[in-house]
Amino acid sequence: QQQVKQSPQSLIVQKGGISIINCAYENTAFDYFPWYQQFPGKGPALLIAIRPDVSEKKEGRFTISFNKSAKQFSLHIMDSQPGDSATYFCAASNNNAGNMLTFGGGTRLMVKP
Amino acid sequence: DARVTQTPRHKVTEMGQEVTMRCQPILGHNTVFWYRQTMMQGLELLAYFRNRAPLDDSGMPKDRFSAEMPDATLATLKIQPSEPRDSAVYFCASGPGQGDEKLFFGSGTQLSVL
Repeated sequence: QQQVKQSPQSLIVQKGGISIINCAYENTAFDYFPWYQQFPGKGPALLIAIRPDVSEKKEGRFTISFNKSAKQFSLHIMDSQPGDSATYFCAASNNNAGNMLTFGGGTRLMVKP
Repeated sequence: DARVTQTPRHKVTEMGQEVTMRCQPILGHNTVFWYRQTMMQGLELLAYFRNRAPLDDSGMPKDRFSAEMPDATLATLKIQPSEPRDSAVYFCASGPGQGDEKLFFGSGTQLSVL
């Protein structure tokens, strides 16, 4: 059972544009929603995370929007740069279930110069 | 610069051989995870340890895979016997635990089973 669904699978954005990646979850017990960034040959690295008590969190050019009623959350990358080209994973976990992260399928982002 | 260290970075082996992957978690972290990454399945959780005790290995094929933490500085993942379908990148991740959900991933072991 895929508990976290991510879309799109791939995304091409022009430099300076906005990249938007969406995720939907099924388990209402999830209480932590991070986004990870992965470059080729490297492990995923935590980018930004949100908890369900807020609807938005911003860190620099990266913003998470969270819709609890719809069970959806999204990552927005403003002013996208070629250096942002990577694979992005959304994830979710439940503090009462040991904080094991369930990952979405990933989105391969390419930012064209 | 604290980091999760995984060895080897690459491993090519023949079907039927034993494979051992090692992970040194970040000092002081008390949670350790093993994930497998493939194009088809994405990132799958294989095993989870807290304070060196195995808490969840439901994602791991029990007949051939085993995960252990002999001490706080070493986690191992073994496959015996290995099969071509085990070819993947295996990641170890550690976290502070105690309410801090951040995970820090190693660079992975790329395994090819011929």
